[in-house]
Amino acid sequence: AQKVTQAQTEISVVEKEDVTLDCVYETRDTTYYLFWYKQPPSGELVFLIRRNSFDEQNEISGRYSWNFQKSTSSFNFTITASQVVDSAVYFCALSEGVYSGAGSYQLTFGKGTKLSVIP
Amino acid sequence: DADVTQTPRNRITKTGKRIMLECSQTKGHDRMYWYRQDPGLGLRLIYYSFDVKDINKGEISDGYSVSRQAQAKFSLSLESAIPNQTALYFCATSEYAGTSGGITDTQYFGPGTRLTVL
Repeated sequence: AQKVTQAQTEISVVEKEDVTLDCVYETRDTTYYLFWYKQPPSGELVFLIRRNSFDEQNEISGRYSWNFQKSTSSFNFTITASQVVDSAVYFCALSEGVYSGAGSYQLTFGKGTKLSVIP
Repeated sequence: DADVTQTPRNRITKTGKRIMLECSQTKGHDRMYWYRQDPGLGLRLIYYSFDVKDINKGEISDGYSVSRQAQAKFSLSLESAIPNQTALYFCATSEYAGTSGGITDTQYFGPGTRLTVL
């Protein structure tokens, strides 16, 4: 079974629309971290956010917001008033086993959601 | 200048050739990683290194080897390239966040190397 599921393979929205990217994860650990990365057409991977399993507060950064719900094992990402520059592939990732004594070392990535923002 | 650099950025080679991909970082991080990205599959870990003397296999290490020449340099080699190793390869770095509970390190990625094996 996939540990990180991004069910939306591709999404298209018109500029200025809001869009939510879904991420569902699976883990047996009580302590874990979740991440979102952005991969624009140029190909690099840009770190967006890290959230630990003990902090369920939603976070907002400009037009970006994240909704973490342990009850549904979800960590969804919303872009408000989307812009063409938001067009990219977005990856959700899970890091487990932080109590191993060696710290976390492996990210398990979802397959990504390709977002296209149409002018 | 970029904190994590990868060379070459693009490479086309033939089956059976030996290829080395290089990664350098100026972030001062002790941990380095190699991933490959295939369309529709996300990223998968090939090898990782916690320091110069520590090398570990990841999820898909077969057909690859690595060398940690210095804290700032981590190279990935394909001893005998094959077409199914055609992919986008990423190097990443992170700083060890300590053993206190609930801490993990964030990985920062290089720009990627697009490798095509004909």
